Amino acid sequence: NAGVTQTPKFRILKIGQSMTLQCTQDMNHNYMYWYRQDPGMGLKLIYYSVGAGITDKGEVPNGYNVSRSTTEDFPLRLELAAPSQTSVYFCASSYSGTANQPQHFGDGTRLSIL
Amino acid sequence: RKEVEQDPGPFNVPEGATVAFNCTYSNSASQSFFWYRQDCRKEPKLLMSVYSSGNEDGRFTAQLNRASQYISLLIRDSKLSDSATYLCVVNPRGFKTIFGAGTRLFVKA
Repeated sequence: NAGVTQTPKFRILKIGQSMTLQCTQDMNHNYMYWYRQDPGMGLKLIYYSVGAGITDKGEVPNGYNVSRSTTEDFPLRLELAAPSQTSVYFCASSYSGTANQPQHFGDGTRLSIL
Repeated sequence: RKEVEQDPGPFNVPEGATVAFNCTYSNSASQSFFWYRQDCRKEPKLLMSVYSSGNEDGRFTAQLNRASQYISLLIRDSKLSDSATYLCVVNPRGFKTIFGAGTRLFVKA
């Protein structure tokens, strides 16, 4: 009963490096989301997807890219890592975006950019 | 005005106390509401949905007041294990879900 799985759980990057945060869900959910959460702060939506092949920007998309080639997977790409991207990244999914469909979260990726 | 506002706290209460949190939202068209719990350095987890008529789950009671645009969470007989940050979540019509910044609760022995 995996739910939403994120990898890696921890990563340290150097400024300017690139990486992909992986997210996969086995609940056949249509909607998937990427959030970042800075220390002591709330969640901020980076990107979301309403289905395979469809993605759109959230509140803080700059410096990130996403793709959604399958229902299960929604990777987040950092192209040129900057210290401001040090954060905890959460992937979430929901069956749909309609009423009373809560989001289910992965356990996060803790990313430090040095 | 923020779309979803919560008192950040912290709320410090003794074991056995009753504590209540409020959350206000700005979009009167909002359709669904949730309370999530987030432990330190962990992912948010769904605590309960909030229904128009109010609902209860054990020691937890959630209420919705559409006229005043707020939801509330009441915790009775607080336990040490209730210490966490409680996130108010509002889902307006469509996909966009808005998370409040959270209210921190500390329950002390």
